[in-house]
Amino acid sequence: EAEVAQSPRYKITEKSQAVAFWCDPISGHATLYWYRQILGQGPELLVQFQDESVVDDSQLPKDRFSAERLKGVDSTLKIQPAELGDSAMYLCASSPAIRAKAEQFFGPGTRLTVL
Amino acid sequence: DAKTTQPPSMDCAEGRAANLPCNHSTISGNEYVYWYRQIHSQGPQYIIHGLKNNETNEMASLIITEDRKSSTLILPHATLRDTAVYYCIVRVPGTASKLTFGTGTRLQVTL
Repeated sequence: EAEVAQSPRYKITEKSQAVAFWCDPISGHATLYWYRQILGQGPELLVQFQDESVVDDSQLPKDRFSAERLKGVDSTLKIQPAELGDSAMYLCASSPAIRAKAEQFFGPGTRLTVL
Repeated sequence: DAKTTQPPSMDCAEGRAANLPCNHSTISGNEYVYWYRQIHSQGPQYIIHGLKNNETNEMASLIITEDRKSSTLILPHATLRDTAVYYCIVRVPGTASKLTFGTGTRLQVTL
């Protein structure tokens, strides 16, 4: 069964450093999402792509976060500089574009710890 | 998207049915009820969704009240592997529609 791949699974960094997370969605899925999940809370959408275009980045802290999906396939989420409050699980999800009621398929996540 | 209310936690004995309630009293006519679950340290997993009719798949059943203001997710024979946080989400379907997660219900299945 096809899965969403994410790397790394775990990342520890010091504040003010730069970090990057990578996501490879299920083949053929046009829509890609990045969520952030703080411990004890549900995931919160950061950014949504339709192919290579950003559909929704209203919750993305643009002063320090950036996301790209240059060829409309895999995607990178970057934080620079990292702050203590960025410690969280970063989840990537993908969804096919054709089916109107398509569910989202989530990857295993990257757990970020900022020291 | 309409807001949902779920109990923070529930317990269920293994082999018994787990009934997880969700209130969504402000749901609109074109909004669906979706259920996802998240096993510890994993990404959320889609379970089921429905509009107004009861739905069943290999994982669970979804019962939606006639007025659509509440629903119940039923795991007919809970196992230890069903221990997870269960999220009830109301949304208009379509790939442009994001999932808005609450805090969910933490289901603990015990021996």
